[in-house]
Amino acid sequence: DIQMTQSPSSLSASIGDRVTITCRASQGISTWLAWYQKKPETVPKALIYATSRLQDGVPSRFSGSGSGTEFTLTITSLQPEDFATYYCQQYDSDPFTFGGGTKVEIK
Amino acid sequence: QVHLVESGGGVVQPGKSLRLSCAASGFTFSTYAMHWVRQAPGKGPEWVAIISHDGSDKKYADSVKGRFTISRDNSNNTLYLQMDTLRTEDSALYSCAREGFRYGGSSWFDPWGQGTLVTVSS
Repeated sequence: DIQMTQSPSSLSASIGDRVTITCRASQGISTWLAWYQKKPETVPKALIYATSRLQDGVPSRFSGSGSGTEFTLTITSLQPEDFATYYCQQYDSDPFTFGGGTKVEIK
Repeated sequence: QVHLVESGGGVVQPGKSLRLSCAASGFTFSTYAMHWVRQAPGKGPEWVAIISHDGSDKKYADSVKGRFTISRDNSNNTLYLQMDTLRTEDSALYSCAREGFRYGGSSWFDPWGQGTLVTVSS
């Protein structure tokens, strides 16, 4: 199985900050990576697929990059509605696995 | 608008069975592979199973293989998960999720249903 490791597990940031979250795969997954945002009492929402493609309706302050085993999610100017937990997920091969999550909290 | 609504969760004793359903609307159900994904309290999501758009291909996480069965009824736009020999570690919120694009090969999940809670406890 492909293991996905996210870092950091949590971070504190202020409105307007640039935030970067890293996701590492235990083996190469090309660009078969998605990012999700999860808020309390809701289910995850897809933000990015194929490493860098924004899902419809997702603000352009979100971006993704990487390939192979190392990937990043960047939020260029953190907004109040962005405080949430973010998960990466590989879909190169089954079982489709998620990272452990990064909780973005208000500083 | 795409809509996925799960039902069938509840409290069940270890070793017992449950059948979850997911009613889909707002898209051509028969052209999308579908998944079940679960999330235990305080933990990250865990993929459970996938079924191809026509039901001909199914895959499972090792943790549920041999105990869970995914199926679908394209005439009624409904996805199912039969869960047998349940264990306490199966307790979670179970969501159905549509694949990103039609006809498979894009196993990222969008959207997710709001989920149905399964609690396995004696």
